[in-house]
Amino acid sequence: AQRVTQPEKLLSVFKGAPVELKCNYSYSGSPELFWYVQYSRQRLQLLLRHISRESIKGFTADLNKGETSFHLKKPFAQEEDSAMYYCALSENTGGFKTIFGAGTRLFVKA
Amino acid sequence: GAVVSQHPSWVICKSGTSVKIECRSLDFQATTMFWYRQFPKQSLMLMATSNEGSKATYEQGVEKDKFLINHASLTLSTLTVTSAHPEDSSFYICSARNRGSAFFGQGTRLTVV
Repeated sequence: AQRVTQPEKLLSVFKGAPVELKCNYSYSGSPELFWYVQYSRQRLQLLLRHISRESIKGFTADLNKGETSFHLKKPFAQEEDSAMYYCALSENTGGFKTIFGAGTRLFVKA
Repeated sequence: GAVVSQHPSWVICKSGTSVKIECRSLDFQATTMFWYRQFPKQSLMLMATSNEGSKATYEQGVEKDKFLINHASLTLSTLTVTSAHPEDSSFYICSARNRGSAFFGQGTRLTVV
């Protein structure tokens, strides 16, 4: 069965420190992986997707099929990065539904 | 980017009444939309996949007679919570895919009193 696991509910770092939000998944096929972010009082929005291999707001994520991981990283955290981050997996067949991990709240301290 | 709009943003209803929530894709067509439910401080739980012109596909454990979904056009899906009870109070979010990525509505906070 498909599953997305984010082991950390809360991650607190100081401004300027590196940050890594962990995500592991299980899926029988070849999924699409995403990171979504939800800032306070805002809707969920796409941060990045593994297919794009791009860096958004300084964040990157590499899909590691061997470890079935898609960890989100940023070398220098900023206060404005404080938000809820969700790792998500989308089927690339059939209904193309997206399932989410439990989410990790990132708190960047001044 | 693609815009998905939900209406209303919040609603309060009496126990036993029905509530309809609309989800619209404003600048793209969506043959498929998804309805999620989010409890406080928890993740999004997929409830059902809404398919334009055909029946919705419900996830295991979701009552199809309780949560009626209609996807009558390529830009509109509706979720009707029938005979609402206080335990149905939650945050309901819809999404639609565009160019391979899911875009989300702002959510609807339902409170049943």
